[in-house]
Amino acid sequence: KQEVTQIPAALSVPEGENLVLNCSFTDSAIYNLQWFRQDPGKGLTSLLLIQSSQREQTSGRLNASLDKSSGRSTLYIAASQPGDSATYLCAVGGRGSQGNLIFGKGTKLSVKP
Amino acid sequence: DGGITQSPKYLFRKEGQNVTLSCEQNLNHDAMYWYRQDPGQGLRLIYYSQIVNDFQKGDIAEGYSVSREKKESFPLTVTSAQKNPTAFYLCASSSGQGYQPQHFGDGTRLSIL
Repeated sequence: KQEVTQIPAALSVPEGENLVLNCSFTDSAIYNLQWFRQDPGKGLTSLLLIQSSQREQTSGRLNASLDKSSGRSTLYIAASQPGDSATYLCAVGGRGSQGNLIFGKGTKLSVKP
Repeated sequence: DGGITQSPKYLFRKEGQNVTLSCEQNLNHDAMYWYRQDPGQGLRLIYYSQIVNDFQKGDIAEGYSVSREKKESFPLTVTSAQKNPTAFYLCASSSGQGYQPQHFGDGTRLSIL
């Protein structure tokens, strides 16, 4: 059974710092991996989607990498801003799972001005 | 603007009562999903539907029921059999092809009176 782990559970950094969020998964036979952002009391916003054949995806200050063989993904945030404060969730789509996602518990990020 | 609308935002359930959460999308997506989120936990899949008039149980379907009579609507009923219904419920949709990113609504928070 696929399990997704995110470390750390919480992270506090000063504004302007570059940071890395980690995601690991136990079954490397994945179809894709997504990173989401969740603000308090809100739904999820998709940030980046990496297909299993890809190694990374970039959007603005965000860069996500995928290493299937080691079961790891990282989300790199450059020049962090207070507006980046949120919970970041990693989710894995398995082969034959009809698009269903297995989620990690998230990393709560706080960027201090 | 296209998107997913969940209503109500807050819902209270009395003992022995069934309640229904609404989810409507105008993205013309084939697939729709219901997830449950508990504090400090990742999302867990309740039910999903790939096409109209068809749906499948997810990991935690007990005590819940759904219908998919229209492409744009996927209501979730929390029955009295669900003994611990207090949670944040999120609806999502995707094109169902190529495992495209899942789009999420803003959620419904259900509490027990």
